[in-house]
Amino acid sequence: AQRVTQPEKLLSVFKGAPVELKCNYSYSGSPELFWYVQYSRQRLQLLLRHISRESIKGFTADLNKGETSFHLKKPFAQEEDSAMYYCALLYNQGGKLIFGQGTELSVKP
Amino acid sequence: EAGVAQSPRYKIIEKRQSVAFWCNPISGHATLYWYQQILGQGPKLLIQFQNNGVVDDSQLPKDRFSAERLKGVDSTLKIQPAKLEDSAVYLCASSLERDQPQHFGDGTRLSIL
Repeated sequence: AQRVTQPEKLLSVFKGAPVELKCNYSYSGSPELFWYVQYSRQRLQLLLRHISRESIKGFTADLNKGETSFHLKKPFAQEEDSAMYYCALLYNQGGKLIFGQGTELSVKP
Repeated sequence: EAGVAQSPRYKIIEKRQSVAFWCNPISGHATLYWYQQILGQGPKLLIQFQNNGVVDDSQLPKDRFSAERLKGVDSTLKIQPAKLEDSAVYLCASSLERDQPQHFGDGTRLSIL
C-alpha cells in the first residue's frame, strides 16, 4: 500500500545549523514526491517537487529510489524556516496526494 | 492571482447536526480537492473533482459526507449528521490539471461538541 512516513514529529535546531527532515515512502509505481510547508497562520504551500530539481529558500531534496527516501535538507537553518513540513507522494499521476504526518521544525536563535 | 477561497473559517456544531463548507478555486483550475486534516496528522484526500465530475471519492464516508461541484467552479462539502470524530480542518485545494501543483485554501476548522 502507498504510504509516506515522516519519523520525526518535532525537530529542533539552532540557527545556522544544518537541518534534515526525513521522509520515506512506500509505492510500487514511479514516485513523484513533494514537500509542502505551512508557516504559522499561513496556508499550506508547495515548497518543492523532486522533478523540478530546484533549490527553494536554500532547501533541496533528492529522491533516493534505493532507500525510498526524499529527505529535505538545508545547510544553514534560519529562524524564518520554523514551520510545519509535509512530505507528499503523488499517487497514480492522477493528482491524488498522500501526505505524511508532518514534522514541525523549530529553529532557535 | 487570487488564491483558493474557503468559508467559513471556523464552525462549531453539536453532534448529529449538519454543516456545509464552501470553496471557490483559483480561476481556470479544472481540478478541485477536499481534504480532511485531523489534529496531528497530514491532510487526507476525501474527494477529487475534474471540472464537475468526480474522479476519486474512495475515502469519502458516503453515509454522512457529500460534495458537489455543479458548474465546475465552486464546490460545497456537507456533513450530515456530524460525529465527534469529524472534528478537523477541512482543506480545499485546486490545480490547473490533475498532475499540476495543488494550491490550498486556509481551511475551515470544524469543532463538534
